[in-house]
This record gives sequence, C-alpha cells and structure tokens, in this order.
Amino acid sequence: NAGVMQNPRHLVRRRGQEARLRCSPMKGHSHVYWYRQLPEEGLKFMVYLQKENIIDESGMPKERFSAEFPKEGPSILRIQQVVRGDSAAYFCASSPRAGDGGNQPQHFGDGTRLSIL
Amino acid sequence: QKEVEQDPGPLSVPEGAIVSLNCTYSNSAFQYFMWYRQYSRKGPELLMYTYSSGNKEDGRFTAQVDKSSKYISLFIRDSQPSDSATYLCAIPKAAGNKLTFGGGTRVLVKP
Repeated sequence: NAGVMQNPRHLVRRRGQEARLRCSPMKGHSHVYWYRQLPEEGLKFMVYLQKENIIDESGMPKERFSAEFPKEGPSILRIQQVVRGDSAAYFCASSPRAGDGGNQPQHFGDGTRLSIL
Repeated sequence: QKEVEQDPGPLSVPEGAIVSLNCTYSNSAFQYFMWYRQYSRKGPELLMYTYSSGNKEDGRFTAQVDKSSKYISLFIRDSQPSDSATYLCAIPKAAGNKLTFGGGTRVLVKP
C-alpha cells in the first residue's frame, strides 16, 4: 500500500482522552475517505473530504467524531472523549478525482489501530 | 438485507487449485465493482476493478459481473500460499464515491 501514509500505526488511549489519526494521500490525490473496521466486522464508510471541504459525512457518528482536510498538511480524523467501543482499525483511502458513480478506484493506507484502555 | 453480501469462509484450498469467491448485491443501479485483498494487519489492496457486466482478466485473476443476477465473482487460478488473505468485494455508491464493502472471505491456500 505504498503511497497513502497513515500515522500512527498503533495508538493507545485511555477512556475520555482524545485520539488524532493522520492521513497523507497519494501524491496527486486530492480526495480522501475514512473507513472504520471494527473487530469481526467489515469496513464501513465514515467520511469523504476534499481539500478544505467535507463532501459526505453520512457515516460519521453524530458526536465526538470530526474530520478535516486542510489546504496544507494531512487529513485528520479526531475522536474526542474516546470510549471502549471506539477500538477499531481506521483506514484512509485516496483517489485523484471525484468519482462519477464510482469510476475512481480508491487506494488504501495500512490503517491506524486504535486501542482504548 | 445488506447491500453487499459475501460468504465469510474460511475457504481452504490446496496449492494450485482454483479459488472461487462471490458477492451478491441488492441495488441494480450499481455500475462499478471492485475486489480488494487484505493481508492481516494491512490495508486493503485493489486487485480488480470492473464496469458493468462481463469478464476481466489480469494474470491469475478473473473478475466476473452478472448484473442480471446481481452477482459478482473473483477467480484465482493456480493459487499460491501467498494468496492466503481476506478478499473483499466493494461497490461504490452511484452518487458520490463511498464504497460499500462485503464482509470479506478469508482464504487459506495450503502448500
């Protein structure tokens, strides 16, 4: 999965703390997607961003979760006041352009594994 | 009914056998279909990407789409132990580009 860089690879937080996950898309890609993979579950879409804009956040929990993709720097997925149920693998994907019904394949990073103590 | 369904397996085959993987989907508006491979502790890796019905071949991999049955397949010929992984079908929503994934099928190729 060369290209999409996520850090940290592993993150441990105590309940109530904040978690910040970073994603740098592939070179030339300006569209970023975040997905969550809960233990024993499939990948679920969370949010789709372009530079400085949130395009679709229909998969984001209503509270405690936010995402941004600033003009400069990586995309950030932020989880405030983490709870045990937030423990999961969080994956970022990128594509070069907006998909027109899905014609832009997404390339994934290796994820951040978040553990909540 | 889930939008994309996939048998979780595990599917165990001897080295050299053909691996056959399937997904069904519910929305006839879907146009593009993808297969990803995911090794343990790694991110999904795009394997095959097809549009509408028909076959697409890439090396040992063949993807098939049957839109009339809402059924997609991935075949791996001459399977190798290095093919042992979880295989995910993924379908982008018609509006926008977010992917809906099947639950994944775990494949084990035994030497």
